[in-house]
Amino acid sequence: AQRVTQPEKLLSVFKGAPVELKCNYSYSGSPELFWYVQYSRQRLQLLLRHISRESIKGFTADLNKGETSFHLKKPFAQEEDSAMYYCALSHTDSNYQLIWGAGTKLIIKP
Amino acid sequence: EAQVTQNPRYLITVTGKKLTVTCSQNMNHEYMSWYRQDPGLGLRQIYYSMNVEVTDKGDVPEGYKVSRKEKRNFPLILESPSPNQTSLYFCASSPRAGGLYEQYFGPGTRLTVT
Repeated sequence: AQRVTQPEKLLSVFKGAPVELKCNYSYSGSPELFWYVQYSRQRLQLLLRHISRESIKGFTADLNKGETSFHLKKPFAQEEDSAMYYCALSHTDSNYQLIWGAGTKLIIKP
Repeated sequence: EAQVTQNPRYLITVTGKKLTVTCSQNMNHEYMSWYRQDPGLGLRQIYYSMNVEVTDKGDVPEGYKVSRKEKRNFPLILESPSPNQTSLYFCASSPRAGGLYEQYFGPGTRLTVT
């Protein structure tokens, strides 16, 4: 069965340090991968998707099909990056429904 | 303002008392979905709707019903709520089918069943 794994429930780093939120998936085909973010008291919202190959708020994510990973990275963390981050996968076999990871809470310490 | 609205935002109820959580979007989106969020489990899909009058089960549909009589509304119905349905519920919509498009989320409904 398809699965998305975010191994860290909580990640705490200092402001200015690099951040990497891990996401691994299990799917043998060509998935669409996404990162969604939920800031405190805000709605869950799309951060970025692999197909766009863009950098949003300094974050990037590269799809590594060999390692079946889609890790989210930022070279220098900011306090406003503190939030809950979810990795999600979509593919034709699931009728394009999103399969979600359990989420990682990112805390940026001043 | 383009958005997804949910009502109520908070609800405490007792076992067996039927309830409905409403979801409405004003973006003319074809696709709508309901999720529940539980600690350590992330979001799990309950039901989704590809378009009006078309609904399908998600991963955890047991104990829930939905309807899609109009494009903008997608209510979630709990006919006989049980304590294991205590959760945070999110409604989402997107222009077309599921994950290919950005999903826009409602603010969430925190349900407690005693």
